[in-house]
Amino acid sequence: ELKVEQNPLFLSMQEGKNYTIYCNYSTTSDRLYWYRQDPGKSLESLFVLLSNGAVKQEGRLMASLDTKARLSTLHITAAVHDLSATYFCAVVLDLLNNDMRFGAGTRLTVKP
Amino acid sequence: DAGVTQSPTHLIKTRGQQVTLRCSPKSGHDTVSWYQQALGQRPQFIFQYYEEEERQRGNFPDRFSGHQFPNYSSELNVNALLLGDSALYLCASSFTGLGGYFGPGTRLTVL
Repeated sequence: ELKVEQNPLFLSMQEGKNYTIYCNYSTTSDRLYWYRQDPGKSLESLFVLLSNGAVKQEGRLMASLDTKARLSTLHITAAVHDLSATYFCAVVLDLLNNDMRFGAGTRLTVKP
Repeated sequence: DAGVTQSPTHLIKTRGQQVTLRCSPKSGHDTVSWYQQALGQRPQFIFQYYEEEERQRGNFPDRFSGHQFPNYSSELNVNALLLGDSALYLCASSFTGLGGYFGPGTRLTVL
């Protein structure tokens, strides 16, 4: 059974600092999503990583995928308060049907 | 393009009742997946519908059932509601394995 582990689960950062969230998974997969969730809201798609070595960047967030190491990272650069949210990675088990399994989420708080 | 829509937004039921939640996928998408997200937890896969059939199912009891219509919209039915069924129910749509777009969710409260 696929296991998806995120760390840290809780992250408190000062504005302007950098940090990385890690997502490890236990079985082969070539597709991974990163989502953002604000309290009481649905999941907002941030990135989809489709192959080994994929790197995507949007604003202060950058995601990468190493399928050989079964590891994805979400790097935050110069954090701002608006980035405070819970971030989930989701690993695709079956590429044909996009069957996803989620990590436990990282609750990020960015303090002024 | 309307994106993924879900209805209702909120719902309150009592134990033992039955509920039906609805989802319309993003235009051009033919696959609908349903997830349950309890408060403070990760989304858990319930099942997926493709070509009007359940293609895959997570670890949920038979009280959870679904349906997909010819226009690709889908329903999630839960019978004999339990307090533990209180959660945010999310639907995601995709096409040929690409997508992962989520709707706004339905917040179900069971009293």
